[in-house]
Amino acid sequence: LAKTTQPISMDSYEGQEVNITCSHNNIATNDYITWYQQFPSQGPRFIIQGYKTKVTNEVASLFIPADRKSSTLSLPRVSLSDTAVYYCLVAPGGTGFQKLVFGTGTRLLVSP
Amino acid sequence: KAGVTQTPRYLIKTRGQQVTLSCSPISGHRSVSWYQQTPGQGLQFLFEYFSETQRNKGNFPGRFSGRQFSNSRSEMNVSTLELGDSALYLCASRQDGYSNEQFFGPGTRLTVL
Repeated sequence: LAKTTQPISMDSYEGQEVNITCSHNNIATNDYITWYQQFPSQGPRFIIQGYKTKVTNEVASLFIPADRKSSTLSLPRVSLSDTAVYYCLVAPGGTGFQKLVFGTGTRLLVSP
Repeated sequence: KAGVTQTPRYLIKTRGQQVTLSCSPISGHRSVSWYQQTPGQGLQFLFEYFSETQRNKGNFPGRFSGRQFSNSRSEMNVSTLELGDSALYLCASRQDGYSNEQFFGPGTRLTVL
C-alpha cells in the first residue's frame, strides 16, 4: 500500500481557506485518494475521494495533479468546528477487500 | 438510516481479563473493520470481516480476535488484557469490500488497570 506523508499540524483562522497537501510518491495506477476527518473521541468521517484532476462536494475540494504523486484537500472558509485531524489515505479501488491504512494525519487548529 | 453502533461505549477491565466488544453495522453493509486508536500509535487496523469471513488482518497478536455473524454484526475479543491494550476501539462498516468510504461508529473506550 502506498505510504502517505502530510504535515503534522496546521493553524488557521475562521473564514480562511485551508489547503492540506498529502504526498504519495508511490501511488499505484489503481489507487484512489481518500480523506477522512476525525474529531476527538469520535470515529473518523469520510470527507472526499478522488482519482485524478479535481473533485468537489459540499464540504471540500480535492485537487490531484496529473502525476498523482500528491493531492491537496481544500477546505473553504473554515470555522471553529473544522478543528480536527485530517487523514489522507491511498488505497486501491474496485479490487475489493483492501485494508485502509491511516497515517498520522494533520491536526488542524482553527482559531477565532 | 441508523449509523454504526458500538457497545459498550466505555469499559474498565484489569490485566489478565478478557473483553468482548460489539459492533452493529449500517443496515445493508456487509463489511466490518476494527481499528485500535492510541495516542502513541494512532489508528491501527485490526481486521476486516465480510460475509462472516475474515478478509484482512493487521499486525496484532493472537490475543485479538473477531467474528462476524450472519446479520453482519461483529464482535471483537481481546484475551489476557495488558495495560497497553487501553485504547479507543473503532468499528467501521462499508457496503462491500470495494468502497474506500467507511462509516465509523463512536468507538468503545477500553481502560485496562
